[in-house]
Parts: sequence; C-alpha cells; structure tokens
Amino acid sequence: GENVEQHPSTLSVQEGDSAVIKCTYSDSASNYFPWYKQELGKRPQLIIDIRSNVGEKKDQRIAVTLNKTAKHFSLHITETQPEDSAVYFCAASSNNNDMRFGAGTRLTVKP
Amino acid sequence: DAGVIQSPRHEVTEMGQEVTLRCKPISGHDYLFWYRQTMMRGLELLIYFNNNVPIDDSGMPEDRFSAKMPNASFSTLKIQPSEPRDSAVYFCASSSPGTGNYEQYFGPGTRLTVT
Repeated sequence: GENVEQHPSTLSVQEGDSAVIKCTYSDSASNYFPWYKQELGKRPQLIIDIRSNVGEKKDQRIAVTLNKTAKHFSLHITETQPEDSAVYFCAASSNNNDMRFGAGTRLTVKP
Repeated sequence: DAGVIQSPRHEVTEMGQEVTLRCKPISGHDYLFWYRQTMMRGLELLIYFNNNVPIDDSGMPEDRFSAKMPNASFSTLKIQPSEPRDSAVYFCASSSPGTGNYEQYFGPGTRLTVT
C-alpha cells in the first residue's frame, strides 16, 4: 500500500519568511496529492491539491510542486503570517481512494 | 449545505462499553471515509465506502471495530468492547470524485475518551 513520509515534523519561521514542507510517496499509481491544514481542535481542511499530470500549482501565497519521477511533492508558503500557524498534512491517493496521510508538520509563525 | 455532520461531538465511556459514532455525509457524495487521529499515529484511514458498499476495511484495527452504511445519508462506526487505547478523535469525510472534485470534506470529528 501507499506510504507517505513528511518532513519536517515541526517548523518555526519568522513572519514574512517562507515555509517549505516536503513529502515523499511510495506508490507510483498515486495521482492525487492534497494538502490539508488543521488548526487546533478543528477539522482538516483542504488548502491546495495537485494531480499527477501537473508539475506545479499556485494559489496566492501557497504553491505545491510535484516530481513524479522522484515521487516527492512540496508545499511552499510565502510571506507567512501568524494565522498560517497550524498543522499541515500532505496526502497521496489513487483517484481519491485509499488516501494516506503524512504524519503532519506543525508550523509556527512568530510575529 | 450543512457539510458533513458527526455525532456525538464528545463521548466519554468506560472500558468495555459499546460506542457508536454517527456520520451524515454531504448530500450527493458517493464516497464516505472514516479516519482516526491520535498524537502517536496521526491520521489513519480506517475504512471507506463507495455507494454504501465497504471497499477497503484494511485499516480497521481489530474485530472490535465495525462500520456500516445502511443508506447514502448515514454511516456508523461501532467499537465493542471499547478500550482506553481507542481514545482518539474520529473523523468522517465524504467526497464525490466523479464530479472532477477529489476533495474530501471532513466532519467536525468525535472526540472519544475511554476510561
């Protein structure tokens, strides 16, 4: 089955700096890679996703890159703000089935 | 749309008791997923349904866990008997990938504490 590894487990940045979170996956059949943000005590919520036919996707301050050959994908947050502080999860699945999540990255943005 | 609805939001029970968690997916979604979240193990997929049929239950930890989806608008996750190590937040999620939107929409979760 799919195995997703995520790094780092914690990340602390100064407000305004960039944050990068990296994930690797094992199953070459995976073709959907979402990123979820989970604030304390809340549900995970999708912030951006990418499919395997695309190498990069951007939405304002958030971007995701995918390297299918190396089986890794990354989340980039630019101009970080205190409200970006949360736990971020990457995931991988084949056609939305059997989604496997990374262990999560706790991002802290210091004002 | 009200989103995915879960009940109860909090459950405290004693070891050995039966626990039933409930989920109402978003209307029209044909996939339903049950996840468990703990500090130690993160977010784990327990089981998922497509059109009310269980597709993959390989994540269900033990025979003490069972899940049903009697119709398109209701699913249950049952633990019998419960144990302290079952304490976690249980999320239900639903999706409709056939529309081209692969997003899984999570419910608010049920925080289960087994004493």
